[in-house]
Amino acid sequence: GESVGLHLPTLSVQEGDNSIINCAYSNSASDYFIWYKQESGKGPQFIIDIRSNMDKRQGQRVTVLLNKTVKHLSLQIAATQPGDSAVYFCAENEEYGNKLVFGAGTILRVKS
Amino acid sequence: IAGITQAPTSQILAAGRRMTLRCTQDMRHNAMYWYRQDLGLGLRLIHYSNTAGTTGKGEVPDGYSVSRANTDDFPLTLASAVPSQTSVYFCASSREPWGYGYTFGSGTRLTVV
Repeated sequence: GESVGLHLPTLSVQEGDNSIINCAYSNSASDYFIWYKQESGKGPQFIIDIRSNMDKRQGQRVTVLLNKTVKHLSLQIAATQPGDSAVYFCAENEEYGNKLVFGAGTILRVKS
Repeated sequence: IAGITQAPTSQILAAGRRMTLRCTQDMRHNAMYWYRQDLGLGLRLIHYSNTAGTTGKGEVPDGYSVSRANTDDFPLTLASAVPSQTSVYFCASSREPWGYGYTFGSGTRLTVV
């Protein structure tokens, strides 16, 4: 079946550096993508989303890039802080689909 | 504070017992979902409901049932628990059933022994 996946299961970065978390998806019909952050013992929290008619979207310290040609999604976190340490999930949704498909997640560890 | 409330927070359950996980949202969202989260497998959809009175099967529905009698509540029932149902269960909701900005609850950690 269609699925999303992540290239790196664990990413360690120094505080203050930029982080890049990658995601590959396989469903070419997917047109909406979301990044979630999950801290230990909590549910996933929405970070940022992007529709397939865009290739870049910026939020506060975060940027999502979408490359539909190679079906690749990335989350960039600027000036990574200890509070950014969490598991990050990408998720995709086919147009008018009724569910999100999540990747397995990437652990981000921020070293002080 | 608007959001999703799940109960219980955690539970240890004997195999063969029946268990209902509760989920209530106060955001008047139309769609609700149940996911299970297992290490290395991410979040997998168990059941969903696009609107009150309707439900559907997700990726891993076997052994679970749901009901949606009203907009706010979406309980998940394990009729006869088995150890493979040991997991963390998350309830989620969205304003409309095409996935924009799911809101998740804090989860229920269930251990079946």
